[in-house]
Amino acid sequence: DAGVIQSPRHEVTEMGQEVTLRCKPISGHNSLFWYRQTMMRGLELLIYFNNNVPIDDSGMPEDRFSAKMPNASFSTLKIQPSEPRDSAVYFCASSLAGPEYEQFFGPGTRLTVL
Amino acid sequence: SQKIEQNSEALNIQEGKTATLTCNYTNYSPAYLQWYRQDPGRGPVFLLLIRENEKEKRKERLKVTFDTTLKQSLFHITASQPADSATYLCALGGTLTFGKGTMLLVSP
Repeated sequence: DAGVIQSPRHEVTEMGQEVTLRCKPISGHNSLFWYRQTMMRGLELLIYFNNNVPIDDSGMPEDRFSAKMPNASFSTLKIQPSEPRDSAVYFCASSLAGPEYEQFFGPGTRLTVL
Repeated sequence: SQKIEQNSEALNIQEGKTATLTCNYTNYSPAYLQWYRQDPGRGPVFLLLIRENEKEKRKERLKVTFDTTLKQSLFHITASQPADSATYLCALGGTLTFGKGTMLLVSP
């Protein structure tokens, strides 16, 4: 298996633009997690899906952020409109059956909002 | 809300020595703790999970302890090697809350 796949790997955009990050979890995993990592705040959970259903979205900063998981093999995280404070590395992770199982992280998307 | 703290300063040790990293938490009683390793520019990689009823867990040169009274987990790497240099993160089970990590530097 190729592991968790994220795209793009790097994204540079201007404030106010819409940004869409994509994730393909490991086949057979039924849990998917989106995290954001910055030096100041560390690794923070944004949202957690189980069987394509959002279970915990308490970490989503505000209405500008939205996430979807239309099927078991694809998820998106959208920021609209983007702001400079959204600059961070965004990780997607998947696990076999929930957070108690080993989470496999993707390589991350480094987002820079100018 | 729950809080998790790891040594913020980097830990520098000599090759061959044992490295000990600390993870403290408050306002929560996790059923388990996880430890991850993160290399620069990469996502975290899972190392070990320890449950509240397990005092100690080992995997090769790694050892994790879990003291629910002290609300603390210790992560040990014995016979450390330069290749062990990385940032190590702990995560509170059930909350998906990660510490900010401790950077370990092992010099030859």
